Amino acid sequence: GAGVSQSPSNKVTEKGKDVELRCDPISGHTALYWYRQSLGQGLEFLIYFQGNSAPDKSGLPSDRFSAERTGGSVSTLTIQRTQQEDSAVYLCASSSREDTQYFGPGTRLTVL
Amino acid sequence: GESVGLHLPTLSVQEGDNSIINCAYSNSASDYFIWYKQESGKGPQFIIDIRSNMDKRQGQRVTVLLNKTVKHLSLQIAATQPGDSAVYFCGAGSYQLTFGKGTKLSVIP
Repeated sequence: GAGVSQSPSNKVTEKGKDVELRCDPISGHTALYWYRQSLGQGLEFLIYFQGNSAPDKSGLPSDRFSAERTGGSVSTLTIQRTQQEDSAVYLCASSSREDTQYFGPGTRLTVL
Repeated sequence: GESVGLHLPTLSVQEGDNSIINCAYSNSASDYFIWYKQESGKGPQFIIDIRSNMDKRQGQRVTVLLNKTVKHLSLQIAATQPGDSAVYFCGAGSYQLTFGKGTKLSVIP
């Protein structure tokens, strides 16, 4: 597949549990972004990775959220001690430097 | 920072008519603008983008217009089809984009 892929597509978890969301960017794309989309809301920027530079974490809503990008490719977004307000669609996008961002299908997270 | 707003949350057009979706941004330093289409249950799909050194850019059936004076961006869809029904949202910024909430376009057959 040539596009951005994300897994799982759906995740249901209990409040207080940790979750990991995975993003496989388009091969060769150096930039990777995570966004959160709540029902009826726009995209909320979470974090940005560019090559080997330090990530821009300015959008992470709390210290329960973290992300890493291993080997400049796959990224994992981790949410610790999930809360009900964390329920949303988490979208990943990748781009070639600061070019057009291409989005994955998203992971729908439901916290019960 | 940047804030982006859409003028209308919903828009209904007759099949075959042209659609215009508008967006306003706040930061005059934004130099990159983009439109996405999002169908229910899917991720955003890139439609068209434009940089601040341009006023207009055309794609297949779509045109993006940028007015930097009033910080306004619009997406025009020619001969709107039922398959165009979706939520459309714009983004503005540089490497970090701020997105609007979206306009839901409904096409009436």
